[in-house]
Amino acid sequence: GAGVSQSPRYKVAKRGQDVALRCDPISGHVSLFWYQQALGQGPEFLTYFQNEAQLDKSGLPSDRFFAERPEGSVSTLKIQRTQQEDSAVYLCASSFGTLPGGDTQYFGPGTRLTVL
Amino acid sequence: GQQVMQIPQYQHVQEGEDFTTYCNSSTTLSNIQWYKQRPGGHPVFLIQLVKSGEVKKQKRLTFQFGEAKKNSSLHITATQTTDVGTYFCAGPRGSYIPTFGRGTSLIVHP
Repeated sequence: GAGVSQSPRYKVAKRGQDVALRCDPISGHVSLFWYQQALGQGPEFLTYFQNEAQLDKSGLPSDRFFAERPEGSVSTLKIQRTQQEDSAVYLCASSFGTLPGGDTQYFGPGTRLTVL
Repeated sequence: GQQVMQIPQYQHVQEGEDFTTYCNSSTTLSNIQWYKQRPGGHPVFLIQLVKSGEVKKQKRLTFQFGEAKKNSSLHITATQTTDVGTYFCAGPRGSYIPTFGRGTSLIVHP
């Protein structure tokens, strides 16, 4: 596609519900990141994939958060038993190369999650 | 761990005035990237600086990377209302984990 897409764009969940957020990166992009952005803050790193391999998940806040990219393209971020503090915008970004620290990242529009 | 600090957090300017935001890291960075996020939008890549003392220009935007590769700045000359948004710097933590600053929100008054 022309850019990174994410769905849904908005998600309202009741506390305790599970949610799944989807990211479609740019075709051919090897690297994929998930970020969490709270209001008035910069994006906070959650996890990184290189193709299907999850190389780093050090930013995931708790074991309620789980991410996968089984075929090295589409990725899903799952949050189990959502809590109010999970409310944020979840951003997905992809980049072409395997050295994302020095590679242009292309961000999706984000999913705004509100937990009531 | 590495932190990337940005100042100021907010900046109000009159249209036509200049604007500068500063980014400081507690550790030496291999590179630094700048992004712009419009209100309600997502971060959009602007530029990457790699070399010590590097200066790059994009029309009215001037980006600098410090000699020690610990600080960077973005300067906008003669701001326009289209410049409104939050400007983030980001440096890699370790080999690749991008660490974003908190951002500077630019408000341009017509």
